Amino acid sequence: DAKTTQPTSMDCAEGRAANLPCNHSTISGNEYVYWYRQIHSQGPQYIIHGLKNNETNEMASLIITEDRKSSTLILPHATLRDTAVYYCIVRANNAGNMLTFGGGTRLMVKP
Amino acid sequence: NAGVTQTPKFRVLKTGQSMTLLCAQDMNHEYMYWYRQDPGMGLRLIHYSVGEGTTAKGEVPDGYNVSRLKKQNFLLGLESAAPSQTSVYFCASSYGTSYNEQFFGPGTRLTVL
Repeated sequence: DAKTTQPTSMDCAEGRAANLPCNHSTISGNEYVYWYRQIHSQGPQYIIHGLKNNETNEMASLIITEDRKSSTLILPHATLRDTAVYYCIVRANNAGNMLTFGGGTRLMVKP
Repeated sequence: NAGVTQTPKFRVLKTGQSMTLLCAQDMNHEYMYWYRQDPGMGLRLIHYSVGEGTTAKGEVPDGYNVSRLKKQNFLLGLESAAPSQTSVYFCASSYGTSYNEQFFGPGTRLTVL
């Protein structure tokens, strides 16, 4: 699986968009980009995933650069409940379905 | 629909004691997983199962055993607990190989003295 690099922590004002970057410069052609988050003391929660096209769902948007070497998770209107650790994970869908969690980005949404 | 549940929520063991953690899912998922999370770190895969009666080793399998006798249950056993196994344990499940959304349980906080 390709390695990912994320900032250790970020702050965001409540109601503003939170943009969380992820670098995955060694990503392979068959590898997807997944985002999960973990709110304090809870199990991780799936947010979104994509291959090369931008994706949007009710929780967030995922923007993947054309060369696929980096991506950005966007929470359009962050709330206090979005305070969590966000994990960017890159992996292929044909390799045992295992997720490799790195350190993630600790997002603090402030009032 | 309870999703993924874990039993117990908390447990304190003495070194050398044994215990079994139970994970149950009611979503008819084929795949199930056990992870551990140490303070300030991401999750690490211990063991996983791709179907009833099957198990496989993950990244950190030493000191643990697992069984998947029923599709809805995945058990994690510690035969002789060590302080290094103090951690939060998360169970997860998913439909299968090509669909990677994993659903996680609330976790079990284990302390080994």
